[in-house]
Amino acid sequence: DAGITQSPRHKVTETGTPVTLRCHQTENHRYMYWYRQDPGHGLRLIHYSYGVKDTDKGEVSDGYSVSRSKTEDFLLTLESATSSQTSVYFCAIRDQWELTEAFFGQGTRLTVV
Amino acid sequence: GENVEQHPSTLSVQEGDSAVIKCTYSDSASNYFPWYKQELGKGPQLIIDIRSNVGEKKDQRIAVTLNKTAKHFSLHITETQPEDSAVYFCAASGDDKIIFGKGTRLHILP
Repeated sequence: DAGITQSPRHKVTETGTPVTLRCHQTENHRYMYWYRQDPGHGLRLIHYSYGVKDTDKGEVSDGYSVSRSKTEDFLLTLESATSSQTSVYFCAIRDQWELTEAFFGQGTRLTVV
Repeated sequence: GENVEQHPSTLSVQEGDSAVIKCTYSDSASNYFPWYKQELGKGPQLIIDIRSNVGEKKDQRIAVTLNKTAKHFSLHITETQPEDSAVYFCAASGDDKIIFGKGTRLHILP
């Protein structure tokens, strides 16, 4: 299995609080992605990174920010969590952008109450 | 941006029969089309992929076909087995993003 670790694996938080999810890789892959998975919506891209300090928006970026200060870590922050952000969040890594496989982490189940 | 449509959302087949899942994409620049399988409680895993310069690819019981003109690609699973029960996602990529379809839940009936 690709070396990807997501933390925490489960989290319950209150509406309005900030939340940070962490994705850590040991593969030295250039690209890292955050997706959310919701019933009926599949996997939707939130943000991604193509290098240290290089990030870009995905399909559903509103309410989320990201940071990548080291190759191995990609953080996803919910500045002020809302119930609509209750979801399962997946991190993925990819060596090169073109024609290569993305490897997924095990996911983080986030519940906003 | 890219948009990927996937059908059906749910599919039930008898064990031993074939299953077909279809996807369409919108961006003609897309050139890489992976398929992922997700089992309960796990992250998606790649099962097969195809590049735009190839029309068909097979790996044992799994095959993928691509029609670039129509912007269609399909996953075919033959001789289905109980362990094929899972959620399957198609995806398309033509730049540094990978855009996924909404998924198909495949049930293999005994």
